[in-house]
Amino acid sequence: NAGVTQTPKFQVLKTGQSMTLQCAQDMNHEYMSWYRQDPGMGLRLIHYSVGAGITDQGEVPNGYNVSRSTTEDFPLRLLSAAPSQTSVYFCASSYGIGTGGNSPLHFGNGTRLTVT
Amino acid sequence: DAKTTQPTSMDCAEGRAANLPCNHSTISGNEYVYWYRQIHSQGPQYIIHGLKNNETNEMASLIITEDRKSSTLILPHATLRDTAVYYCIGGYSTLTFGKGTMLLVSP
Repeated sequence: NAGVTQTPKFQVLKTGQSMTLQCAQDMNHEYMSWYRQDPGMGLRLIHYSVGAGITDQGEVPNGYNVSRSTTEDFPLRLLSAAPSQTSVYFCASSYGIGTGGNSPLHFGNGTRLTVT
Repeated sequence: DAKTTQPTSMDCAEGRAANLPCNHSTISGNEYVYWYRQIHSQGPQYIIHGLKNNETNEMASLIITEDRKSSTLILPHATLRDTAVYYCIGGYSTLTFGKGTMLLVSP
């Protein structure tokens, strides 16, 4: 198993550009989520999905879009990048709420995004 | 999800046990307590989780108080490679991570 794979590892954007951060998992996990982490901060939840076709907002969803057309993939879209979106982005997955909460999160290695 | 409170930082001597506390007084009866750690800027790594009983695995032990309002993560013989930020989380999969505890293991 590759686990949770995030691409790209690094990205530099100019203000106003758009891009998609990719996240894929091969563990047949129902639950997937995106976090951002800023220096000296914990991880803040952006969006999450409890299954294909179902997404919901987390703590800091503004400026980001998600979709979940397959169980394996959960891309994060920045429609018009802003310097405030400079951050490290982590994708995570787990078997999900159906296990009664008995399901650890598995994280990718992150995408380091700089918006100039 | 339950709110958790952890000390900002802790120190531990190499080879000694590291005991990391976490307060989760608002946790509900069916919410698990999870511990993760993050080394440098890598993705967080799952350590251990539990509901009511104490748990042990190859990485650590988790002691949960009987009233479930707090827990302690124990690294029995800390090494330099255990230097990391440790997060205590209470709740289901829609987990929000706080700032955690920065554990510094020194020679």
